[in-house]
Amino acid sequence: AIQMTQSPSSLSASVGDRVTITCRASQGIRNELGWYQQKPGKAPKLLIYSAFSLQSGVPSRFSGSGSGTDFTLTISSLQPEDFATYYCLQDYNYPLTFGQGTKVEFK
Amino acid sequence: EVQVVESGGGLVQAGGSLRLSCAASGFTFSEYYMDWVRQAPGKGLEWVGRSRNKVNSHSTEYAASVKGRFTISRDDSRNSVDLQINSLESEDTAVYFCTRGYCSDNGCVNFYGMDVWGPGTTVTVSS
Repeated sequence: AIQMTQSPSSLSASVGDRVTITCRASQGIRNELGWYQQKPGKAPKLLIYSAFSLQSGVPSRFSGSGSGTDFTLTISSLQPEDFATYYCLQDYNYPLTFGQGTKVEFK
Repeated sequence: EVQVVESGGGLVQAGGSLRLSCAASGFTFSEYYMDWVRQAPGKGLEWVGRSRNKVNSHSTEYAASVKGRFTISRDDSRNSVDLQINSLESEDTAVYFCTRGYCSDNGCVNFYGMDVWGPGTTVTVSS
């Protein structure tokens, strides 16, 4: 199974900060990666698919990049509603695998 | 409104069985892949399994941790997908989410992500 390693596991940031989360795959997955946001007690929400395509309705401050094994989710200016846990998911092959998550907390 | 809603969770003894259901509405169900994802208390997300769309004969895939114990089935006429869970273990205690995904090609090289999620249903396994 492909292992997805996210870093950092958690980070503290302030409103307005630029935040970057990385996800590394244990083997090449082309651009077959998505990013999801989850708030406590809620279902995850799709932010980005195919590594860089912004899901409809998601604010443009979210962006994704990368291909192969290294991927990045960037929040250009952190907003209060962005404090959450973020997961990457590879859909290149089975079993699909999530990263362990990155918790974005208020500094 | 496009939505999926899970049901069927509950408290069950280890070794027992449970059948979760996911009811979909607001979209052409037969065109979509349906996945089950679970989340153990305080842990991250874990993909459980997938039912492909009608064009792909509703074929299924499973995570290694559940293969042989979990079975996904769907009924496009009822817009529903079920997850049959047998031989429950304490490690199966989790919130189970049903999700929708779209592939633009038969081989699903282009996957548009899990764009609709249900609120989840909780399975608790007692030992």
